[in-house]
Amino acid sequence: KAGVTQTPRYLIKTRGQQVTLSCSPISGHRSVSWYQQTPGQGLQFLFEYFSETQRNKGNFPGRFSGRQFSNSRSEMNVSTLELGDSALYLCASSLAGDVVDTQYFGPGTRLTVL
Amino acid sequence: AQSVTQPDIHITVSEGASLELRCNYSYGATPYLFWYVQSPGQGLQLLLKYFSGDTLVQGIKGFEAEFKRSQSSFNLRKPSVHWSDAAEYFCAVGAKSTGNQFYFGTGTSLTVIP
Repeated sequence: KAGVTQTPRYLIKTRGQQVTLSCSPISGHRSVSWYQQTPGQGLQFLFEYFSETQRNKGNFPGRFSGRQFSNSRSEMNVSTLELGDSALYLCASSLAGDVVDTQYFGPGTRLTVL
Repeated sequence: AQSVTQPDIHITVSEGASLELRCNYSYGATPYLFWYVQSPGQGLQLLLKYFSGDTLVQGIKGFEAEFKRSQSSFNLRKPSVHWSDAAEYFCAVGAKSTGNQFYFGTGTSLTVIP
């Protein structure tokens, strides 16, 4: 099976702009989670979507939002970009029914905010 | 809330030497534990996981980890390190109460000396 894919791999934006990142999960996986990775804060959970519904949300401002489509593909949007949003954004997919499940990560999208 | 501590920020070992990376977690019930590896500029690759059962789990690339409930630890080991093992290693914990929200340690960077 193909792994988790994320597009684009690299992105450069300026402060105040907005950005949309895309994630395609492993075929058959219905859960998609998003994480932000920075040198200072490490890996932090943003949110999880399962069957097009946000099932879990981390402690991030409302500028960070996401959605999931019927084919399980997910997008993450960040509005009004700030310098501190520069990070590697990782998407992970899992089968995930009602229990904790193994998450398989994509290569990430490197976002740089100037 | 769950938390994960990786006490060693950076470890250097000689090729062929044994390796142990430490991980301590904080969680009241039985945790779901994972070790991931990240090469520069890449996403996270799953090395192994513990859900229940045998406390010694085997993973890919010759890695193993042992769950010790009494010590709240899940240390990663490898008997003989290869130069290609140089990477960042992350321990993660999940729990039924938080679904697929994983909590990650800050990571241990491994350098392998030829």
